[in-house]
Amino acid sequence: DVKVTQSSRYLVKRTGEKVFLECVQDMDHENMFWYRQDPGLGLRLIYFSYDVKMKEKGDIPEGYSVSREKKERFSLILESASTNQTSMYLCASSNKDRSLGYTEAFFGQGTRLTVV
Amino acid sequence: GQNIDQPTEMTATEGAIVQINCTYQTSGFNGLFWYQQHAGEAPTFLSYNVLDGLEEKGRFSSFLSRSKGYSYLLLKELQMKDSASYLCAVRFTPGYALNFGKGTSLLVTP
Repeated sequence: DVKVTQSSRYLVKRTGEKVFLECVQDMDHENMFWYRQDPGLGLRLIYFSYDVKMKEKGDIPEGYSVSREKKERFSLILESASTNQTSMYLCASSNKDRSLGYTEAFFGQGTRLTVV
Repeated sequence: GQNIDQPTEMTATEGAIVQINCTYQTSGFNGLFWYQQHAGEAPTFLSYNVLDGLEEKGRFSSFLSRSKGYSYLLLKELQMKDSASYLCAVRFTPGYALNFGKGTSLLVTP
């Protein structure tokens, strides 16, 4: 069974704090993604990575950075948390193997972050 | 996202059939996914289409027309547990990232 594990289900942080959200997958997937999900806006892509030490900006990277030092771990960093970053954060991973014909993404349970 | 549109809400009766539509821009299309998400849970994969036609998986089917930039998810013999959000996601070349619509919240009533 594919497992994508996010370090926390719920987090409450203060404005201006540096926040780390951790994600680990156990299926040796090359691709990893961070999304945020907000009511009425759906899932929006923040950052993604196709390989170790590689990162690419998604649609809404402002105020975030990422780190991928090991293949199984992808961290999202909020450099200075703000109230508009209160959201549900979802990590996902997928395979790059083209022989499968498709590469579905598997999601973690999500981290609900509240910035006060 | 790349203008991926789906209805915000739908209601259907237990035992009935419901069709959830999704439209997207056709340029660079490289695959369409449907996910189910129950409240407070992670999205789970339902189906994948990259060629035109219908893919059937038990009570769920998904259809794709690439020329029209159109897909639908068909749910048959609705059950109360099918009440959830249904997310349409499109992959565009190049890359593997999925671009999501805003989701359709489906309520199944007795």
